[in-house]
Formats: sequence, C-alpha cells, structure tokens
Amino acid sequence: DADVTQTPRNRITKTGKRIMLECSQTKGHDRMYWYRQDPGLGLRLIYYSFDVKDINKGEISDGYSVSRQAQAKFSLSLESAIPNQTALYFCATSDLLGASETQYFGPGTRLLVL
Amino acid sequence: AQSVTQPDIHITVSEGASLELRCNYSYGATPYLFWYVQSPGQGLQLLLKYFSGDTLVQGIKGFEAEFKRSQSSFNLRKPSVHWSDAAEYFCAVARNDYKLSFGAGTTVTVRA
Repeated sequence: DADVTQTPRNRITKTGKRIMLECSQTKGHDRMYWYRQDPGLGLRLIYYSFDVKDINKGEISDGYSVSRQAQAKFSLSLESAIPNQTALYFCATSDLLGASETQYFGPGTRLLVL
Repeated sequence: AQSVTQPDIHITVSEGASLELRCNYSYGATPYLFWYVQSPGQGLQLLLKYFSGDTLVQGIKGFEAEFKRSQSSFNLRKPSVHWSDAAEYFCAVARNDYKLSFGAGTTVTVRA
C-alpha cells in the first residue's frame, strides 16, 4: 500500500462549486503539505501543517482552505472553484528532521474546473 | 529569499547517451538541495539529496549530482540514459524554515 494517498485522483467540477481533496498518510509523519503544479511553474506551496494544531499559509493560499483532521489526514478545500484553479495537486509529508528533511509525495489529484 | 532555476525546459537525449540537467539556486545560507523525478501520471519521487559533506552525491536509478558552491549549482547527471528515464525532473532547495522551493522542472524525452 502507498504511504501517501490522495482522493480523488481525478476530478472535474464547475465554477462556483465547493470541492474537497483528501490526503492520508501511513508514514506517521507530523508535517503535511499541499502543493499545486502548473506547467512551467513547478510546484507551489498552498498550505502546510507541522502538527494537528498548526496550520500555515503557503505562497498561494487565496481561494483555498485546509483542515488537519488527524495526524494522518490533511484535506484541501476549494470554497468556490474557479477555472484558474485547474491544476495538478500534490500532498506531501515529512518527519521532523530539521532542514534536512525529505518530503514524500502522494500520486496527485488532477483537477479540472469548467 | 531564495530561488531555484532550471534553465532547460526540455531536453531530448538518445537512449544510452549521457544526461546532465542543470540547477542553479540562490540562497544566503548553506543550502539543502534535492532532485525529484516525476514519471508520467505519477507523484514525485526523491532521486537524491545533499546536506553536507561529499559534494558528489549518489542517488537511485544510477543518478548522481554535484554540488558546486562557487557556481551555486547542483547539476544532475546520468552516464547512460534508459527509455524509462523519460520524465520531468525537479530541483528543490530547503529553506531554514523547512519549506521546499522548487524549480520549474525539466522534461526529458528519450529517443530510441
């Protein structure tokens, strides 16, 4: 079984709809991250959480919200989806090892907003 | 502030030929550097990382990277490319607040 799973893997939605992307991990890591990937821009950080009670905005948090339901679960919500949120979304986890930590990525969720 | 630049958007290489992907970073402190690979339809997989010590780092799948502080570079190399190496490659640097900044990526096409 994969250590970091994301559901759904693909999603098509309409402008204005609220949607949630879910991430679960079995690695026992405290830190979790949400990124979006756009062609030519690499990965950009949306939100991150260093433990269940800690939520922080990343570079591009506008239009998104998150919920850390448990150590193993970190959900990303688009309150009112818009077409420029069409992207590939990745969840990642890492352990508290200092700046040398390695992030482990899920398989991604491909989102299309019409 | 720091940034990561991957100058090559797309590289095409023949199977069996050598491959080098360039990565330049700007960061005031000692950098922690990573290379990730993303195969089509897959998530990102860590190839290798540099924290300190030997500036030539060995990774998985036959890849290596060399940290050159004087050139602010961390280039990725493979002596002989296989068709399965066709993927997108990302260089990243860890900041001292433990967040990663990624380059824009380099897509590698392998021709027979």
